[in-house]
Amino acid sequence: AQKVTQAQTEISVVEKEDVTLDCVYETRDTTYYLFWYKQPPSGELVFLIRRNSFDEQNEISGRYSWNFQKSTSSFNFTITASQVVDSAVYFCALSEEHTGGSYIPTFGRGTSLIVHP
Amino acid sequence: GAVVSQHPSWVICKSGTSVKIECRSLDFQATTMFWYRQFPKQSLMLMATSNEGSKATYEQGVEKDKFLINHASLTLSTLTVTSAHPEDSSFYICSAKGAINSPLHFGNGTRLTVT
Repeated sequence: AQKVTQAQTEISVVEKEDVTLDCVYETRDTTYYLFWYKQPPSGELVFLIRRNSFDEQNEISGRYSWNFQKSTSSFNFTITASQVVDSAVYFCALSEEHTGGSYIPTFGRGTSLIVHP
Repeated sequence: GAVVSQHPSWVICKSGTSVKIECRSLDFQATTMFWYRQFPKQSLMLMATSNEGSKATYEQGVEKDKFLINHASLTLSTLTVTSAHPEDSSFYICSAKGAINSPLHFGNGTRLTVT
């Protein structure tokens, strides 16, 4: 069974602070995908990143960066110089290959990030 | 990028009526679509997997007679909440994937309120 733990329920920061959202996962598969999605107050889910289990390279995209460490089963997400527009709920998700090759993600409970001006 | 359109964005209906939610993949063919339900401040819970041309696969605890799913084409899946009750009020989100290893792309969600 796969499981995703986002221990931080809510994080509150002041604009321009750096913030790291934690994600720890459990899986027995050697092949899997990890995702981060953003859900702003409007409700839609915005895809941020996908990482497969064979690629442990960290990734940076603008103010966003991701740290994937298989040794600790973690896939943490850092926002540098946070902005008010970053306020949202962020979901980490894990998917393994199911029958037929459809990777169905399991979501963590989400971390609500509030960035104050 | 891939776009998934979900309609309506919100709907209010009376108890006992049925509501249909549409999910369309606009620029890719989606052999598989997924329906999620999200309660306030909760995570997304997978309700069912919808495969084009075949019956949907429901997750444990989801009533298939209450949540009817139809995936009649490669670009359209529908979720019908039958005989809705106030406890069915929730945020419903569909998602779709194209190629076998492509990430899921989500619709904007439908907020259902049953009075």
